[in-house]
Amino acid sequence: TQLLEQSPQFLSIQEGENLTVYCNSSSVFSSLQWYRQEPGEGPVLLVTVVTGGEVKKLKRLTFQFGDARKDSSLHITAAQPGDTGLYLCAAYPEDAGNMLTFGGGTRLMVKP
Amino acid sequence: EAQVTQNPRYLITVTGKKLTVTCSQNMNHEYMSWYRQDPGLGLRQIYYSMNVEVTDKGDVPEGYKVSRKEKRNFPLILESPSPNQTSLYFCASSPSGTWGNEQFFGPGTRLTVL
Repeated sequence: TQLLEQSPQFLSIQEGENLTVYCNSSSVFSSLQWYRQEPGEGPVLLVTVVTGGEVKKLKRLTFQFGDARKDSSLHITAAQPGDTGLYLCAAYPEDAGNMLTFGGGTRLMVKP
Repeated sequence: EAQVTQNPRYLITVTGKKLTVTCSQNMNHEYMSWYRQDPGLGLRQIYYSMNVEVTDKGDVPEGYKVSRKEKRNFPLILESPSPNQTSLYFCASSPSGTWGNEQFFGPGTRLTVL
């Protein structure tokens, strides 16, 4: 069982639709990050959330950190084909020092 | 250009033949780490290093060795590779090991062990 559970694992939608990806755990985290990875490349950081209840927006992407700092969500409005990729959440557990833990990832495909 | 480089990008080898994957960063980062990525499992940390001469085990260190003799380099060594080490490997660096820091990833090394 992974410390960070992401859902759904796969998502295929049409351009213009909205979607939400979830990252859940029973552990409390000092901070949580979302990364996006394209084929043949390493992950690239999208956002870091630190405070419980925090909401951050990056253009059409909205990130939320749960009040108890155990979960997070990524919402994409009016998805574009360029949003296609693997979305990974990652977090530093409060009791695991400097070890960054990743979720299993959500593979998103946005069809034109 | 600020970057993390890995070599080789692709490697096919046989069981038991020692290999080294190099990692170098030019951002003067203190923290470096190695991950392996397998389908459905996300990235799992193999080893990390807070600074020169300081290394620690991650989630899946068995079968791997690392060294950090210089700040910029963090090679991953497989003394006796086995087929279950077939995976996509990423090196990453960060300004420090403080939580919340952005990790900068290399392009990955796809390793196949026959």
